Amino acid sequence: AQRVTQPEKLLSVFKGAPVELKCNYSYSGSPELFWYVQYSRQRLQLLLRHISRESIKGFTADLNKGETSFHLKKPFAQEEDSAMYYCALLGGTYKYIFGTGTRLKVLA
Amino acid sequence: SQTIHQWPATLVQPVGSPLSLECTVEGTSNPNLYWYRQAAGRGLQLLFYSVGIGQISSEVPQNLSASRPQDRQFILSSKKLLLSDSGFYLCAWVRQGKNTEAFFGQGTRLTVV
Repeated sequence: AQRVTQPEKLLSVFKGAPVELKCNYSYSGSPELFWYVQYSRQRLQLLLRHISRESIKGFTADLNKGETSFHLKKPFAQEEDSAMYYCALLGGTYKYIFGTGTRLKVLA
Repeated sequence: SQTIHQWPATLVQPVGSPLSLECTVEGTSNPNLYWYRQAAGRGLQLLFYSVGIGQISSEVPQNLSASRPQDRQFILSSKKLLLSDSGFYLCAWVRQGKNTEAFFGQGTRLTVV
């Protein structure tokens, strides 16, 4: 069965501190993994996808198949990073599922 | 460019009444369409998805149903609403391929009273 787990509901860090939002997945095949972000009063939007191996707004995420993880990282948090972050998995049969989300608060 | 419309934005309905939420997509053909419910602490729960007209996959057995009468139209329905159906419903279109990405509607806040 497909499953995405985000163990932290809330993560608070100080401005300039490193950030790591955890995501673990369960899927028997080769999944596509994504991070989405929802800023206050805005629609949910794509942040990055593992297949692109990109860095967006200073965030990166590496797919670790051995640990079935796709953690989101940023070396220095900024106040504007405060938002809700969702990890998502696209498996076979077009099933696109999301985790429970982690609220990131960056404190001044 | 592609856009996704979802309405209404808010809805207050009495228990036992029917429900119809509509989602339409512009600027693309044969989109993969999804209905989610977003709840605090539970994230985005996948309810239904559709890869073509008349094709519906249900993920969570409940008091809701979905239909896809036209290529770019996806409808979420209920014959009789329950209090537990209250929540925030999101429609999404997923572009698949090299640059897979989900595009979300504005959402509908449903309150069953």
